[in-house]
Parts: sequence; C-alpha cells; structure tokens
Amino acid sequence: AQTVTQSQPEMSVQEAETVTLSCTYDTSESDYYLFWYKQPPSRQMILVIRQEAYKQQNATENRFSVNFQKAAKSFSLKISDSQLGDAAMYFCAYRSEGGTSYGKLTFGQGTILTVHP
Amino acid sequence: DADVTQTPRNRITKTGKRIMLECSQTKGHDRMYWYRQDPGLGLRLIYYSFDVKDINKGEISDGYSVSRQAQAKFSLSLESAIPNQTALYFCATSDPRLRGPQDTQYFGPGTRLTVL
Repeated sequence: AQTVTQSQPEMSVQEAETVTLSCTYDTSESDYYLFWYKQPPSRQMILVIRQEAYKQQNATENRFSVNFQKAAKSFSLKISDSQLGDAAMYFCAYRSEGGTSYGKLTFGQGTILTVHP
Repeated sequence: DADVTQTPRNRITKTGKRIMLECSQTKGHDRMYWYRQDPGLGLRLIYYSFDVKDINKGEISDGYSVSRQAQAKFSLSLESAIPNQTALYFCATSDPRLRGPQDTQYFGPGTRLTVL
C-alpha cells in the first residue's frame, strides 16, 4: 500500500516571502500522479497543483511550484510571494494509476500554513 | 450552483443513532468517493464507487455503509453512530476520461458530524 508523509504539522511565513512544504511518499509503482490540495478555513478542498510521475519537468502554477524528486520519492511545494490568502491547511496526495488502486487518492497528514502580515 | 453538494453541512447526533450523509453531483462523473478527515490523519477513504453497480471498500469502511442510488447520488450511512466517528466527511467525484488540469477529484463542501 502507498503511504504519504507530511512531516511538518505547522509552518509559518511572512507575507511576500517564500515557503516550502515537504512531502514524501512510499510506493512500488512506477505510474502515478501527485497532488497538492489547499483547505482554507471554509473547509473546501482546492486543487493547487498536480504532477505526473512520468514527467521530469516540475509543475508550476503561477506562484506555486513543486520540486519532484522521483528517486527520492519527494514532492515539495514552494509558494513564492506568499499572500495572506495562502493561509490554509495543505495536503499532499498520491494517486495510483494502475491495478485495483487505480484512481484512488492517498493523503498525507496535512500542514497548517500561517502567513504573517 | 455547486457541482458537488453534501447534506447536511453540520450534524450533531447521539451514540447509537442511525445517520445518513448525502452527496449529489451535477458533473456527470461516474466515480464517487467518501472520505473522512481527522486532525493529524489527513483524509482517509471510506468507500468508493466507479459506477452505479460498482461499490468498493476503502481503508476504513468498518461501521459505515453506502448506497449509490444513481450516477449523481452517493449516500454514506452510519448504522449505529459512535463518538469516534466524529469527523469531517467529504464526498468527491472524478472522471478518468478527463485529462490535464481537469484530471483530479472534485470535492463537496464537507459535512461536520459530531457524535455525542
């Protein structure tokens, strides 16, 4: 079974600064997707960014980018120019692309990000 | 209107009561999921359904049951609620035919359930 670990229960950053959230995962599969979801106080789960394991290029979405290290099974999220609206719980998630686990998401424990003005 | 809706949004019940959480979607997706979120544990999969006739247990299905009444509706039941089922519950949908940024799970707004 796959596991996802977020070792930072809480992180904080000053507004306009950069912060990196860590995520590691364990799998024996070669084909999978990785995601970062944001959960603000409204509880809504919002997709931030996704990465296909077969792509070497790191995904980028505006101020959000990832550092995907497949061999190390690491998938960190970098938030540049942090804004007050970035304050939320962030979840890393793994999705299998084959076998009986196809399509299912496995989540990490979450990291609470605080942004200081 | 929201694509994935959950009712109720908040619910307080007592130990031993039967409770049903409902999920409806207008996205036309075949796949639907139920998760529970607990502090420090993230989201964990309870049940999932890949079409109306296909229902599967997730990693924490004990104490829960589901019903897929139609493509658009997927209900989660707690037959006899207990306090450790107090959690935030999410429904989600997906469509494996989608590609690119749409290739993800779409979540409902969540149901906060408290079992006293």
